[in-house]
Amino acid sequence: KNQVEQSPQSLIILEGKNCTLQCNYTVSPFSNLRWYKQDTGRGPVSLTIMTFSENTKSNGRYTATLDADTKQSSLHITASQLSDSASYICVVSDRGSTLGRLYFGRGTQLTVWP
Amino acid sequence: EADIYQTPRYLVIGTGKKITLECSQTMGHDKMYWYQQDPGMELHLIHYSYGVNSTEKGDLSSESTVSRIRTEHFPLTLESARPSHTSQYLCASSGGGSNQPQHFGDGTRLSIL
Repeated sequence: KNQVEQSPQSLIILEGKNCTLQCNYTVSPFSNLRWYKQDTGRGPVSLTIMTFSENTKSNGRYTATLDADTKQSSLHITASQLSDSASYICVVSDRGSTLGRLYFGRGTQLTVWP
Repeated sequence: EADIYQTPRYLVIGTGKKITLECSQTMGHDKMYWYQQDPGMELHLIHYSYGVNSTEKGDLSSESTVSRIRTEHFPLTLESARPSHTSQYLCASSGGGSNQPQHFGDGTRLSIL
């Protein structure tokens, strides 16, 4: 069964600290893996998209890694800011259809305290 | 920054009413999607469209219907709302190939009394 599991479910860190969010998936065949940030009451916003051949991609203070062999990804946030408080969603796309079926994780709820 | 808009943002309405949730995008994207999201849960695809006059049901069974008469517009309709329809509805669009990101609207939070 194609699934995307994220950990931890929630995380609290102090402003300025780094953190790493995890994503494990069983989706096959694999097309790409995406990380989205969803602020409370808003729609998700794309942070990174990685294909099979990419093992790291950065977007400012966000760095995503991908290990397609172990089917694991991580999102590392450097020097956290209060505005980083949000849900971070891992999404994996398969190559089984023209649409590219997306499998969503439940997200990690990150809270950054001052 | 995303050019995709949903209205209304919030809707509280009684059981049995007909509801239309609006979604419009100005990016010229062919693909559009409707998702349902409950608190703390993953997004579930309920409808999608490859282009004008193309609509398909998603993975999650839904009593809603959609139409795609114009590229930029993808409304979702509930003919007779029930409390079980209470949820957040997110619209998204994407262009190009399968490695293009989906751009999401800010959603409609629907509450059926």
